[in-house]
Amino acid sequence: GDSVTQMEGPVTLSEEAFLTINCTYTATGYPSLFWYVQYPGEGLQLLLKATKADDKGSNKGFEATYRKETTSFHLEKGSVQVSDSAVYFCALSDQEAGKSTFGDGTTLTVKP
Amino acid sequence: DAGVIQSPRHEVTEMGQEVTLRCKPISGHNSLFWYRQTMMRGLELLIYFNNNVPIDDSGMPEDRFSAKMPNASFSTLKIQPSEPRDSAVYFCASSPGTGREDQPQHFGDGTRLSIL
Repeated sequence: GDSVTQMEGPVTLSEEAFLTINCTYTATGYPSLFWYVQYPGEGLQLLLKATKADDKGSNKGFEATYRKETTSFHLEKGSVQVSDSAVYFCALSDQEAGKSTFGDGTTLTVKP
Repeated sequence: DAGVIQSPRHEVTEMGQEVTLRCKPISGHNSLFWYRQTMMRGLELLIYFNNNVPIDDSGMPEDRFSAKMPNASFSTLKIQPSEPRDSAVYFCASSPGTGREDQPQHFGDGTRLSIL
């Protein structure tokens, strides 16, 4: 079955540091890949997505590239802010499965 | 456009009581998902519907949990009788559905449930 493995947290960074959160996946078909973000007290919301190999998703300074050869979709940001503190979820959506599979989430704390 | 609407936002009740959580998906979305989130177990998929039909309920913890989707604009998750270990945040999400796997799920703000 499908699975998503995320870098374990929590991750603590200073403001303006570089962020990488690793994500690798296993899927039987050709999935679409997503990063969601969850702020305290809220539901998950889409951060970015990529639907085919070599696509790069980007939003709010975050980027992730769909790497089929390494089955990865790592999240990066060049300079994090305190307001980026949240939980980040990697997910895939596979037509065969009919539903999304989520990673366990990585908690990011950015300190001023 | 209105997002996924869940009610209530918070529910505190005593053990043994019936709890009903409600969800209104985004209009036009054909898939609806119920999740539970706890610190210990993270985000768990309980059940999902496609075109109002339950497709996979393998995540429903036990017979005390039931979910219905009587029409395209409404779903309920019921716990009867409730137990303290059911305390969690319950999320409803919707998506356009089969054939649109390139589209994300849209989550509600959740119902924070506390069973005393």
